[in-house]
Order: sequence, then C-alpha cells, then structure tokens
Amino acid sequence: DVKVTQSSRYLVKRTGEKVFLECVQDMDHENMFWYRQDPGLGLRLIYFSYDVKMKEKGDIPEGYSVSREKKERFSLILESASTNQTSMYLCASSRGLGSYLNEKLFFGSGTQLSVL
Amino acid sequence: KNEVEQSPQNLTAQEGEFITINCSYSVGISALHWLQQHPGGGIVSLFMLSSGKKKHGRLIATINIQEKHSSLHITASHPRDSAVYICAPETSGSRLTFGEGTQLTVNP
Repeated sequence: DVKVTQSSRYLVKRTGEKVFLECVQDMDHENMFWYRQDPGLGLRLIYFSYDVKMKEKGDIPEGYSVSREKKERFSLILESASTNQTSMYLCASSRGLGSYLNEKLFFGSGTQLSVL
Repeated sequence: KNEVEQSPQNLTAQEGEFITINCSYSVGISALHWLQQHPGGGIVSLFMLSSGKKKHGRLIATINIQEKHSSLHITASHPRDSAVYICAPETSGSRLTFGEGTQLTVNP
C-alpha cells in the first residue's frame, strides 16, 4: 500500500514564525499536493507539484511556498505564520500522466496546525 | 452557487439500510473522485471514475457525465461506514474541486 507520511500530527506555532510541514510518499508518485481543510469550506488546494522542482499554485497560495527537491518529498512553508493559517493541512500524492490527475489520490493523516 | 453540491449534508441511518449520497457539479470534468474521511482526519480515496459505474464491496459509485451528476451508494450499511463522504470532480490541470461533504452516521 502507498504510504504518505506527514511529519507532525499536531503543531503549535506563534505568529510570525517560519513553519515547515513535511510530506513524504513511498510509491514514486509524480504528483504531490498540499491542501488545507477548514470547517464549512472543505478542502482547498494550496500548491501542487507534478515533478521534481516543478510547482503550481492552487486556489489559495498566498502566504505559502513549497519545495520539491526530491521526488518523494514535498514541503509546505509558511514564511510568517498568521492566525488565519490555523487549519488542518493534508498532503496527498498520486501517479500522474502529464498534467492530468486521473489516478486515485493517497492522503497523509494530516497536520493540525494552531498559530497563536 | 458552489461548483460542487452534495446532498444531503447530514444523513443518519440504521444499520442495514441502503444509503445514497448525491453530487452535482457545474464544471466540465475529466473524472470524479469519491473520498471518505473518518473522525481524526484521515482521508481514503474510494473511487475515481470517468463514466458508468464502479463497485467495491458494498460501495457503488455511478456517474452521468451529461447530467453532471454522481451518486455513491452503500448497501447493507454498517456503523463502521460512519464518516464524511466527499465528492471531488477533477478538472484539467490536475485540479480537484471538493464538495463540503456528507456526514453519515449509521446507528446499530
């Protein structure tokens, strides 16, 4: 089975801190995604990557950046954490052919980030 | 109007009942995903389909591309099916648009 591992289950940070959320997958998937999930808003795409060093903005990229130096690892960076970034962050991966997803997504267990 | 509408938002059933969750979408899609999220946050992909019908165990997913509608059915529901079910149409460019989910509770 595919395993997508997120580095922390719960994280508490202070406003202004730089925050790194790490995600590792073990199935050589091309596509990796970062989502946030908020009550009443559902899942929203922050960034995704379809290859090493490739990244594309999702629907809500402001305040975030990403890094994909190796195929198995996709990092989400909050340059200066703010309280409105308190959320559940979910990483996902899938095999990809070109720019179309068309494959099942595999999710990590999520990181609940609280910014105080 | 949301691009993805799920109904019902909440559903309570008795063990053994047949359950249907509906998803309507307004965007053009290449495929549609059904996801299951258990308490605690973990999300599992149940189906990815682009036409017709798929079945896995007690779960059946159907899609009508012309009508922009998909349904998820659970036969012989069980308390362990209690979860949030999320519909996610996939548009071009690897993007998914997520519904807000249907909270299903199956009572013994």
